[in-house]
Amino acid sequence: GAVVSQHPSRVICKSGTSVKIECRSLDFQATTMFWYRQFPKQSLMLMATSNEGSKATYEQGVEKDKFLINHASLTLSTLTVTSAHPEDSSFYICSAKGTSGGDYEQYFGPGTRLTVT
Amino acid sequence: GQNIDQPTEMTATEGAIVQINCTYQTSGFNGLFWYQQHAGEAPTFLSYNVLDGLEEKGRFSSFLSRSKGYSYLLLKELQMKDSASYLCAVTDSNYQLIWGAGTKLIIKP
Repeated sequence: GAVVSQHPSRVICKSGTSVKIECRSLDFQATTMFWYRQFPKQSLMLMATSNEGSKATYEQGVEKDKFLINHASLTLSTLTVTSAHPEDSSFYICSAKGTSGGDYEQYFGPGTRLTVT
Repeated sequence: GQNIDQPTEMTATEGAIVQINCTYQTSGFNGLFWYQQHAGEAPTFLSYNVLDGLEEKGRFSSFLSRSKGYSYLLLKELQMKDSASYLCAVTDSNYQLIWGAGTKLIIKP
């Protein structure tokens, strides 16, 4: 099956610093990648959708200057949380869709637990 | 607006059967997903329904009625490892996934 990896799995950073999270599709090409955030005991919240080679589409209420998304290739998307604050502490999950027209499933990465102190 | 409803929490006994319901109102419909999510982990795919009817996959089955905007996930022969949250998600006319809040399933011995 399709595998998506995320790195790092856990990160602790100090308030005011920036953190980069990588999302890779290991055995397929992903034209579209999605970034989600999940707070404890809540459902997934879509932050943005990124297509390879173009700018990401952010959901309402998500600051694009704070959450920088780059989808430079068909197998890699990155999310950079700039000037992180404690309220940014959350579980960040990426998912990817394949290039096949009939590929309807999103394949999820294992997630990244971000703690901002 | 778009809305997906599912119960917040359910409790069932090991070895029994449980049905988790999901109702949706979305702008268009291009399929319904069920995902399982254990605490602290990412969701894993369980099923996908785009046509009416029942899809069976081992101990798990998923049913869809598009006219009623309704789906259920049926789990048989429950095991302790089935304790998790179960997320219902619908793909709308723009092929965007709309997520339900999830149902926390607690399995008791």
